Amino acid sequence: SAVISQKPSRDICQRGTSLTIQCQVDSQVTMMFWYRQQPGQSLTLIATANQGSEATYESGFVIDKFPISRPNLTFSTLTVSNMSPEDSSIYLCSVVGGQDGPRGAYEQYFGPGTRLTVT
Amino acid sequence: AQSVTQLDSQVPVFEEAPVELRCNYSSSVSVYLFWYVQYPNQGLQLLLKYLSGSTLVKGINGFEAEFNKSQTSFHLRKPSVHISDTAEYFCAVSLKAAGNKLTFGGGTRVLVKP
Repeated sequence: SAVISQKPSRDICQRGTSLTIQCQVDSQVTMMFWYRQQPGQSLTLIATANQGSEATYESGFVIDKFPISRPNLTFSTLTVSNMSPEDSSIYLCSVVGGQDGPRGAYEQYFGPGTRLTVT
Repeated sequence: AQSVTQLDSQVPVFEEAPVELRCNYSSSVSVYLFWYVQYPNQGLQLLLKYLSGSTLVKGINGFEAEFNKSQTSFHLRKPSVHISDTAEYFCAVSLKAAGNKLTFGGGTRVLVKP
């Protein structure tokens, strides 16, 4: 399985500011995703981070609010822009297609998450 | 579009007792099914998955799940729980034709009591 790290692990930010979250994987992966987990709730997919092209956003999420970069097959960033208290959540990156071959291609591994609090 | 329903938001259970967490999904096409566990203040860990083949799937930590296509269910079971199984459990589906994007259920919080 892939080993995924996220930075920062947590942060407290003021409304109106922006925070960039980094996701680093220890091997090249084909697909990377960003999820949001609001307090006490389940996970919701924000977008698919595409290497070398613009991210694909899910309904309700837009690039201006959540710009995503993916410069290579091991790294991605998610920026939460112009934050409000409603953005307080855990943000998780996940990857598919590690070293397990075809079987692993269907397994999705998650990073430890970034716990964001907006005041 | 697919959806996932976890029928129990919380399940209290005594140590060494069995537990079953219910998961139903709706989809008009074939799906892959997953169970993830989230321990307090940690990320998600894959417990088990169903891709194809045998409908009874065994995972880590003594958990197993059974895929029932006619009932569109994928219930998770463990015959004897430990205190360390206290966590949030998420059922998730992805469409075979939709590039691995996961749709999660609302989660079930399991509290194991001594």
